[in-house]
Amino acid sequence: DGGITQSPKYLFRKEGQNVTLSCEQNLNHDAMYWYRQDPGQGLRLIYYSQIVNDFQKGDIAEGYSVSREKKESFPLTVTSAQKNPTAFYLCASSIVLDRIYEQYFGPGTRLTVT
Amino acid sequence: AQKVTQAQTEISVVEKEDVTLDCVYETRDTTYYLFWYKQPPSGELVFLIRRNSFDEQNEISGRYSWNFQKSTSSFNFTITASQVVDSAVYFCALSEEGNTGKLIFGQGTTLQVKP
Repeated sequence: DGGITQSPKYLFRKEGQNVTLSCEQNLNHDAMYWYRQDPGQGLRLIYYSQIVNDFQKGDIAEGYSVSREKKESFPLTVTSAQKNPTAFYLCASSIVLDRIYEQYFGPGTRLTVT
Repeated sequence: AQKVTQAQTEISVVEKEDVTLDCVYETRDTTYYLFWYKQPPSGELVFLIRRNSFDEQNEISGRYSWNFQKSTSSFNFTITASQVVDSAVYFCALSEEGNTGKLIFGQGTTLQVKP
């Protein structure tokens, strides 16, 4: 089945540790995105990538890093510099239809840092 | 600047009632796209609809319908004869043409449908 996979679904870390969230897609989509969701809030864009080996900062990139070495994969590292890392993280990829990017989302990873 | 406002934080209805979720947006562009997503308790966002700024026709899909009005910058979503399975968080989002697909989300409306 085609889709977006995020693993693990729940992740626990101690403060001060870096942690990497996985995102894989087999939809052959060029663009991929990372969003952060906090309780009672909408999604905010962290990073996005339109092609392999290229990515741009979103609205809240501080304390995060990404890589895009393969089309199918867009891992997100939450570094110790991120002040409030506990959140729900959603990965998305998009297909371009008539110059419109239609995004599809993965199941998300809930990160808890204590 | 782009902005999406969903003023209703939570709505509670009884099954079979109709319910409308409001969405108001701001953009300077003449070409833009509006989306609705559903987020069930599992967390994954499910795409519901996309609408272009130059197409103001209302759309109906089963029990779902959308009313797009450029004059009031609104893109409201109505569920007719609501069901318990409709309980979820619903997000309205905006994207500008050629803007790399970045979505600006509203804060979401939590809909609870009681049996």
